[in-house]
Amino acid sequence: GQNIDQPTEMTATEGAIVQINCTYQTSGFNGLFWYQQHAGEAPTFLSYNVLDGLEEKGRFSSFLSRSKGYSYLLLKELQMKDSASYLCAVRNQGGKLIFGQGTELSVKP
Amino acid sequence: DAGITQSPRHKVTETGTPVTLRCHQTENHRYMYWYRQDPGHGLRLIHYSYGVKDTDKGEVSDGYSVSRSKTEDFLLTLESATSSQTSVYFCATQREREETQYFGPGTRLLVL
Repeated sequence: GQNIDQPTEMTATEGAIVQINCTYQTSGFNGLFWYQQHAGEAPTFLSYNVLDGLEEKGRFSSFLSRSKGYSYLLLKELQMKDSASYLCAVRNQGGKLIFGQGTELSVKP
Repeated sequence: DAGITQSPRHKVTETGTPVTLRCHQTENHRYMYWYRQDPGHGLRLIHYSYGVKDTDKGEVSDGYSVSRSKTEDFLLTLESATSSQTSVYFCATQREREETQYFGPGTRLLVL
């Protein structure tokens, strides 16, 4: 089967750093995506990893280890507006995106 | 942002009625997708299209059909709506030779 696991909820403090983990087991691997989704809105693209290592984009970074079936999204200098759901998705060998259930992040003052 | 709109944005319907949701894009993206999002399940692929008149089934296609007669429009039809189809439906598009999917604003459907 195909499975994407990520924590259901996380809480962090404004100004802090938070790491959201994602582990996956899929039929093939053609890239891993992170999306941000605010309540009642559409998912918006954050990052894409296809090779091992860290990709940095401003306050957000995403890491991938293909041998471990593992990724994380790192959010630095947290702001209240970062309160959202963060979706991990893997493109399988059929080219389709398989999504995890999402991690609901609450940022508190 | 691929200039994606979905209509209607909200709909309430009764069990057994047919329902059609529309996705419209202005960026000439080749690929289009329909997902549903439910608590505890994340986003699940219903159907997708890789070009005009070329469509295929996704993970949860039972009870749904699609049509794509023009590049810019992708229609999702619930042939006979059931309460289990109450959900938020998202359309997504993707450029050829690019990896990222861009999502529309979603349609909230309630089947009574």
